[in-house]
Amino acid sequence: KNQVEQSPQSLIILEGKNCTLQCNYTVSPFSNLRWYKQDTGRGPVSLTIMTFSENTKSNGRYTATLDADTKQSSLHITASQLSDSASYICVVNQAGTALIFGKGTTLSVSS
Amino acid sequence: NAGVTQTPKFRVLKTGQSMTLLCAQDMNHEYMYWYRQDPGMGLRLIHYSVGEGTTAKGEVPDGYNVSRLKKQNFLLGLESAAPSQTSVYFCASTRPTSGGYNEQFFGPGTRLTVL
Repeated sequence: KNQVEQSPQSLIILEGKNCTLQCNYTVSPFSNLRWYKQDTGRGPVSLTIMTFSENTKSNGRYTATLDADTKQSSLHITASQLSDSASYICVVNQAGTALIFGKGTTLSVSS
Repeated sequence: NAGVTQTPKFRVLKTGQSMTLLCAQDMNHEYMYWYRQDPGMGLRLIHYSVGEGTTAKGEVPDGYNVSRLKKQNFLLGLESAAPSQTSVYFCASTRPTSGGYNEQFFGPGTRLTVL
């Protein structure tokens, strides 16, 4: 069954600290993997898109990694800010058509 | 550019009522999508369109109909609303690229409650 599993479900960190969110998938055939940020009450916004040949991709303080062999991805957030409080969604594109969405990790950054 | 806009932002319906959600995009995108987002679940695809005049079913199409009469608009209709359709609805659009390496742009969402 095509699935995208994210962990942890929720996370609380202090402002300025780093954190890493995890994504495991069983989607096949694989086309690419995306990370989205969704602020409360807003639509998801794309952070990164990676194909199987890309191991790392950065977008400012966000760095995504992909291990296509183990079917794992991570999103690392450096020097967190209050504005990073949001839900982070891992999405796998199956064969260039369907997007399989994870349930998301809710991140809360406190001062 | 406004990007992807959705109308209305909020709506409360009674069981059995009908309504239409409007999605509009000004990026000249070919592909448009309707998703629903429920607590504790990932976004699920309801219907999608790969061009003006064409629509197709997604993962959870039952109880919904769609139309794409103009390239920039994608309408989602509920003919007889049910409480199970209480959800947040998101529209998205994208242009096709080789290998599916295409970023989807999402609208702000419509929060629908069916009593």
